[in-house]
This record gives sequence, C-alpha cells and structure tokens, in this order.
Amino acid sequence: GEDVEQSLFLSVREGDSSVINCTYTDSSSTYLYWYKQEPGAGLQLLTYIFSNMDMKQDQRLTVLLNKKDKHLSLRIADTQTGDSAIYFCAENYGGATNKLIFGTGTLLAVQP
Amino acid sequence: GAVVSQHPSRVICKSGTSVKIECRSLDFQATTMFWYRQFPKQSLMLMATSNEGSKATYEQGVEKDKFLINHASLTLSTLTVTSAHPEDSSFYICSVIGPAVGAFFGQGTRLTVV
Repeated sequence: GEDVEQSLFLSVREGDSSVINCTYTDSSSTYLYWYKQEPGAGLQLLTYIFSNMDMKQDQRLTVLLNKKDKHLSLRIADTQTGDSAIYFCAENYGGATNKLIFGTGTLLAVQP
Repeated sequence: GAVVSQHPSRVICKSGTSVKIECRSLDFQATTMFWYRQFPKQSLMLMATSNEGSKATYEQGVEKDKFLINHASLTLSTLTVTSAHPEDSSFYICSVIGPAVGAFFGQGTRLTVV
C-alpha cells in the first residue's frame, strides 16, 4: 500500500537552515505537498510541487523533488522560533483522486 | 485557497452519548470533503470521503455505523460519533479540496470521551 515516511524529529538553531525529508511510494502522484501543524491546530498548506518539477522556491521555502528516488525535501532558510511545529509531507494517491496520504510528520524544534 | 471552519473546537462527552462535528466551507462550494482522525503524535488517518447528496465513502477499517457522515449541502458536512467510547477520543479534522491546488483544513475538533 501507500506509505509516506519522514524522520520524527529535527532540532536546529534560530537562523540556521532546516531540511525536512520525506520518501513516498506512489509514482502516479500529481502533486506533493508540505503542511505545517502548530499545537492543537489544523493543518496549514505551506507549499506544493507539481510532479514534473524538480524544484520550487517560495520565499524562505525551497522544495526539492527527486522523482526517481521518490524523495521530497523542504528547506526552510533562516529558521525562526515561529517555525517550530510539525511538518507533514503529503501526496495525492490514485492519480486523479483528491485523497491525500500524509507522512508520519517531523517535529521541528527551533532553539533560540 | 478555501476557508474551512470546524465546530466545535473542543468537546467533552460522556461514554455512550453521540457527538456531532460540523465542517463548513465558507467561501467555496465543496462537493467533496474529507474527514481525518489524528492520534497523539501521529499522522492523519483518512476516515472517509464525504460526497454532497450521496453516501460517504469510508476507508477500510472505519465503521460507518459508528461514524455517521452527512453532506447535505455544498457548504456543510457533519460527522457524528455515535455511542462514543473513550477509545474514540481523538483529534478530528475535515478538509476541502478548493479551487486552488491542495486541500484546506478546518481547525480540528478535540474530542474527549469520559
């Protein structure tokens, strides 16, 4: 079945870059997404990448996609304490469907 | 994106009672909404796809008689947890596929069954 995996925890110092990694299994995914979840809150869509792209940059966020290895990463430049949250990658599976399969989530802790 | 509102944000109920959670798409007519469940420190598990005007589609292992979904209009889907038990305590989140790319989520509902 579909499986999306992430490392559980990442700790960085304020001002450093953070890189959160994700591996997925469904090669028919059209889009891949990054979501942010703060404690007790819903999910906020941060960014997404179309499956035929290798890279997308949006202000402090850079998404890299290696389709051959089914590897997705999110780089946050100049990480701030407000970036502390759980980050989920997600893929839409089944090609044309809008169902999302979420990764296991990475807790990003930013140390001042 | 779409603006999605969930209500209530937090509810405590007694074992054996039923609880209804509402999910509203405020600025977009959503023919499809999704209900997820999130256990502490875990990822989101898709429970069901809510289809306006027809029956919901449940994921494998999700009891449809336990988790009743009604999508009576293009802006409202409800999830009713029937005969709730402590093991139903969880964070429930709905999402809408809006006009732009990606799914947009409600704020979530923390259900505690005592």
